[in-house]
Amino acid sequence: GAVVSQHPSWVICKSGTSVKIECRSLDFQATTMFWYRQFPKQSLMLMATSNEGSKATYEQGVEKDKFLINHASLTLSTLTVTSAHPEDSSFYICSARVPNQSTDTQYFGPGTRLTVL
Amino acid sequence: QQQVKQSPQSLIVQKGGISIINCAYENTAFDYFPWYQQFPGKGPALLIAIRPDVSEKKEGRFTISFNKSAKQFSLHIMDSQPGDSATYFCAASWGKLQFGAGTQVVVTP
Repeated sequence: GAVVSQHPSWVICKSGTSVKIECRSLDFQATTMFWYRQFPKQSLMLMATSNEGSKATYEQGVEKDKFLINHASLTLSTLTVTSAHPEDSSFYICSARVPNQSTDTQYFGPGTRLTVL
Repeated sequence: QQQVKQSPQSLIVQKGGISIINCAYENTAFDYFPWYQQFPGKGPALLIAIRPDVSEKKEGRFTISFNKSAKQFSLHIMDSQPGDSATYFCAASWGKLQFGAGTQVVVTP
């Protein structure tokens, strides 16, 4: 299958600081990437859809000014958590949609564990 | 609200046994039904997927059964192995993936 990477794999930051997480599709070009959030023992919750060259589409209840998404190239999307607070601590996972397929095949990155102190 | 309902929440199966996980959905617009396997601290990995025009799909020890009229689909893991111990998520998509709540599977030696 297609490979998606994330960086960093884990990050610890102080409350009030901003953190940037990168998501890359390594062996294919992804016009659409997705950002999910997962709390312990829970399912994945879609935060936003990231389209290359256009603004991200956020799910209801997700603060777009807090979670800034940029999809500047066909292989890179970034999520910036601005003014992070302890309640933002979570496992953030991106996925990339494989292009030119008749199904919504998405491959996921390994995730980024964010801990806000 | 959960658009895809998954059960059971957890299950324990002996090595060599069959693990069965069920999912149900309401939205008939869904046109793609993947299953993902997730190990602790890792991202989900695509396991197997099916489209609604097919009633069954088998890949190795993993089989999806799909009942369009009942709006239900299930994952069967045959000859379960300790390495299959993980959390399994069903999902349904019509442009965006909607995940089930997940099933933690433990395979005992």
